[in-house]
Amino acid sequence: DGGITQSPKYLFRKEGQNVTLSCEQNLNHDAMYWYRQDPGQGLRLIYYSQIVNDFQKGDIAEGYSVSREKKESFPLTVTSAQKNPTAFYLCASSIAHFSGANVLTFGAGSRLTVL
Amino acid sequence: AQSVAQPEDQVNVAEGNPLTVKCTYSVSGNPYLFWYVQYPNRGLQFLLKYITGDNLVKGSYGFEAEFNKSQTSFHLKKPSALVSDSALYFCAVFPPRRGSTLGRLYFGRGTQLTVWP
Repeated sequence: DGGITQSPKYLFRKEGQNVTLSCEQNLNHDAMYWYRQDPGQGLRLIYYSQIVNDFQKGDIAEGYSVSREKKESFPLTVTSAQKNPTAFYLCASSIAHFSGANVLTFGAGSRLTVL
Repeated sequence: AQSVAQPEDQVNVAEGNPLTVKCTYSVSGNPYLFWYVQYPNRGLQFLLKYITGDNLVKGSYGFEAEFNKSQTSFHLKKPSALVSDSALYFCAVFPPRRGSTLGRLYFGRGTQLTVWP
């Protein structure tokens, strides 16, 4: 079955540590996205990538970094510079980036807790 | 500025009754509009979208949404609610214009729907 796989599902981190969340898709989608979800705040865009080796900052990119070396993969690193990293992180993809008619397909999410 | 508003944090309905989850937007031009649903500890699932044409859009699981351009609204509806419809619902808007808004969705804060037996 095609879809998006996020791992790990749950992750605990000590303050000052960097962590990397994995996102892999086998849908042959060009565009990939990372969102952060906090209770009552909806989804906020962290980074997005339209094609391999290219990505742009979203609304809350500070303290995060990404790479897009392969079409299937878009890992997110939460660095120690992110002041409040505890959240639910969602990865998504779409066929192409520029058409609003495209539907986003989401992964099941990764819940990060800073101890 | 582009924005999406879901004025109700929570909506409670009895099973079998009709339900409405409200969404209004403030974007330039003629936007594309979406509804997504999220079950606990899961990603979002696409329900339906409005691009152009008939103002009443039908989607998955018996849901429909009505686009009202004059009121800039896109309310989600279902004639008869099920307990299994209980979830978090998100409205999203895509402003179809070039520039800084190219190629991204703006999400509302979400509305928690609870359907009781």
